[in-house]
Amino acid sequence: SAVISQKPSRDICQRGTSLTIQCQVDSQVTMMFWYRQQPGQSLTLIATANQGSEATYESGFVIDKFPISRPNLTFSTLTVSNMSPEDSSIYLCSVGEAAYGYTFGSGTRLTVV
Amino acid sequence: EDKVVQSPLSLVVHEGDTVTLNCSYEVTNFRSLLWYKQEKKAPTFLFMLTSSGIEKKSGRLSSILDKKELFSILNITATQTGDSAVYLCAVAPPYGNAGNMLTFGGGTRLMVKP
Repeated sequence: SAVISQKPSRDICQRGTSLTIQCQVDSQVTMMFWYRQQPGQSLTLIATANQGSEATYESGFVIDKFPISRPNLTFSTLTVSNMSPEDSSIYLCSVGEAAYGYTFGSGTRLTVV
Repeated sequence: EDKVVQSPLSLVVHEGDTVTLNCSYEVTNFRSLLWYKQEKKAPTFLFMLTSSGIEKKSGRLSSILDKKELFSILNITATQTGDSAVYLCAVAPPYGNAGNMLTFGGGTRLMVKP
């Protein structure tokens, strides 16, 4: 299965600023997924990122707030923009497909103060 | 709307106990059900189940899927403190459906006391 390197591992940010999270995969993958896990909650999909096309966002998530880049088949970034304390969460990237299973990055714990 | 429900919400047991975690689902398109263990941030993969009635085992952990009744269970025998974690169940659609996204349950928080 793929190995994903995600960074930063954690960050504490001021409200109103932006943070970009990176995920590097050790193999080429078609789709990458970005999840958010708010404190005490389960994982919620933010968007699906395909290389060469715009990301597909889930209900409740918009591109202006969570812009995503997918410049090639091994890399993606998620930016959390104009942050507020409500954005404090764990952010996770993931790759995989139904036939083979899914792998997660190591996660980014974001605290907005 | 696809739904995955896990129970119990949380569980406290003592080392050596056996626990059973439940996951029921109502989804439009089903390909597989996955179990993950989440200790800190990243969920780590435990099992992927696609066929009914076939138990998957890994050490003290085992899991089985019932596609007729739409549920799965995860069993942990002889629990250890290292089993303390949140256990997540997720359902995956067939390839090409819904972008292959996983639908997660709310998780079961297991605490194993010495």
